[in-house]
Amino acid sequence: QVQLQESGPGLVKPSGTLSLTCAVSGDSISNSYWWNWVRQPPGKGLEWMAEIYHSGNSNYNPSLKSRVSISIDKSKNQFSLKLNSVTAADTAVYYCARRSSSYMDVWGKGTTVTVSS
Amino acid sequence: QSVLTQPPSVSGAPGQRVTISCAGSTSNIGANYDVHWYQQLPGTAPKLLIYNDNNRPSGVSDRFSGSKSGTSASLAITGLQAEDEAHYFCQSYDNNLSGWRVFGGGTKLTVL
Repeated sequence: QVQLQESGPGLVKPSGTLSLTCAVSGDSISNSYWWNWVRQPPGKGLEWMAEIYHSGNSNYNPSLKSRVSISIDKSKNQFSLKLNSVTAADTAVYYCARRSSSYMDVWGKGTTVTVSS
Repeated sequence: QSVLTQPPSVSGAPGQRVTISCAGSTSNIGANYDVHWYQQLPGTAPKLLIYNDNNRPSGVSDRFSGSKSGTSASLAITGLQAEDEAHYFCQSYDNNLSGWRVFGGGTKLTVL
């Protein structure tokens, strides 16, 4: 079955760049799905961040658009997220997810990122 | 705060029926965009529970059901069980600005 696995540094310094990768297994990233990033600050709700299609088309949360970028690597069957100028408010569990139609049907287990000096 | 509004908490005794509301606006639920629900057990990733307003993925108990009316949606859980204790999130699409996916703030269900 399809599995998603997030990876990246667990600690990022303030004003730095957060970089995460989501490896997709059991499915081709070139199939007809959108690949998403969703985050969850400690004790809070879910926030949709960005999504990308295998064509390279992407969509972003308007509140993050100036700081976030998403990319896809079809040769490695993975996609990535970069978030610039991070602050403590960006401390969260970051999930990657597959979007089928308009819902997220497959999620990774999540990776915790802490922004601290 | 979240674009979709959910009550922070609900509770019920085993066997009872509870509902969780998800209030939106004319730019999301009221524009007839589909509503989806996710269950998040403690320490785990969200799991799709209901999609396209009222459909259950394979393997989800029929004790869970969804509905939508106007600018709001609801998740109903019947025959409450201890294993249902979790956070529940609604999700839809909002056509403000360039369009984006939006979540509710989440509801903690406590089984008494």
